[in-house]
Amino acid sequence: NAGVTQTPKFQVLKTGQSMTLQCAQDMNHEYMSWYRQDPGMGLRLIHYSVGAGITDQGEVPNGYNVSRSTTEDFPLRLLSAAPSQTSVYFCASSTTGGGLSDEQYFGPGTRLTVT
Amino acid sequence: AQKITQTQPGMFVQEKEAVTLDCTYDTSDPSYGLFWYKQPSSGEMIFLIYQGSYDQQNATEGRYSLNFQKARKSANLVISASQLGDSAMYFCAMREWGNTPLVFGKGTRLSVIA
Repeated sequence: NAGVTQTPKFQVLKTGQSMTLQCAQDMNHEYMSWYRQDPGMGLRLIHYSVGAGITDQGEVPNGYNVSRSTTEDFPLRLLSAAPSQTSVYFCASSTTGGGLSDEQYFGPGTRLTVT
Repeated sequence: AQKITQTQPGMFVQEKEAVTLDCTYDTSDPSYGLFWYKQPSSGEMIFLIYQGSYDQQNATEGRYSLNFQKARKSANLVISASQLGDSAMYFCAMREWGNTPLVFGKGTRLSVIA
């Protein structure tokens, strides 16, 4: 099992450019989520999905789009990059069923810089 | 309102000593789970320990234990016999019942001194 994979590992964008951060998991997890990590702010939830075809907004969704067409993939799209989106982005997945103890598995992260 | 509060931005501990990292939480849901994750300088998120709101005993995993005080809504992480490799960011997180997201605190940076 590869677990949760994210591509790319590093990315530099110019303001106004668009791009997609890829996330895939091979554990057949229904639940997937995207977080951004900024110094002193912890991990903040951007969007999440409880299954294919279902997505919902988290704490900081503005400027980001997601879709979930398959169980395995959960891409995060930046429509028009802004310097405020410079961050480290983590994708995570877990089983669902409402299990409180379901461990969330994290990808290695994508470090994005917007100039 | 912030659901997870970690009031210690940074902590120092001597090698082989024990250290407690504080975490308080806020929820009105009687069913919830509390997690601690470690993030070393390499950046990956490592799951350490879990405590359920109905668990009668404090969770333990090796050198990690969770001091769960439900009435005070605190879930402090205790690391015994600190090692240099314990130097990292530590995050407390909570999930409420249902398919709800994991919400994180801002983290505590632990530095272990030889």
